[in-house]
Amino acid sequence: EAQVTQNPRYLITVTGKKLTVTCSQNMNHEYMSWYRQDPGLGLRQIYYSMNVEVTDKGDVPEGYKVSRKEKRNFPLILESPSPNQTSLYFCASRLGAGGYEQYFGPGTRLTVT
Amino acid sequence: DQQVKQNSPSLSVQEGRISILNCDYTNSMFDYFLWYKKYPAEGPTFLISISSIKDKNEDGRFTVFLNKSAKHLSLHIVPSQPGDSAVYFCAASRKAAGNKLTFGGGTRVLVKP
Repeated sequence: EAQVTQNPRYLITVTGKKLTVTCSQNMNHEYMSWYRQDPGLGLRQIYYSMNVEVTDKGDVPEGYKVSRKEKRNFPLILESPSPNQTSLYFCASRLGAGGYEQYFGPGTRLTVT
Repeated sequence: DQQVKQNSPSLSVQEGRISILNCDYTNSMFDYFLWYKKYPAEGPTFLISISSIKDKNEDGRFTVFLNKSAKHLSLHIVPSQPGDSAVYFCAASRKAAGNKLTFGGGTRVLVKP
């Protein structure tokens, strides 16, 4: 089954404790991205990757890091989480630069206290 | 400043009637528009899209209308069914920006039996 998976689905952590949210897709997609969803603001892009070893900032990259060492994986790293990073996070992928439709993972609910 | 806005945060409609969801955008360079549907505890899923060279696209019960002069698009669901109860996001894209998606804030639709 074609899918995007994220782990963990739920996470409660404390300020300053480094964490990583994993994302993996099995569709051989080149393009992957991370979004955060906040009430009334919709989904905002954090980082994206056009292919392996190619990443770039989205609209709200502050406080986040990513890496793309393999085509299927695109982890999101919070080196020092803060309460304003409490949000619902989605990983997404699409075939390549010419495509529009993105496939989303199930989401990760992060709470930073 | 949000480039894509959904001014109605919620909508309630009777089963069998029409649901009309609206979306406004400010950037006239957007050239492709999409609607995503999101159920609780799941990621958004693609619903329907339209290119800026068209003014209407239909897929079963779902029709998207685009009015470029007004920078406005709408999604019509006819007839509405209880399973359509979800949050709907409109998104806009620009090829020159690598087809990055810019999302609206979402509209929660409740279809009453």
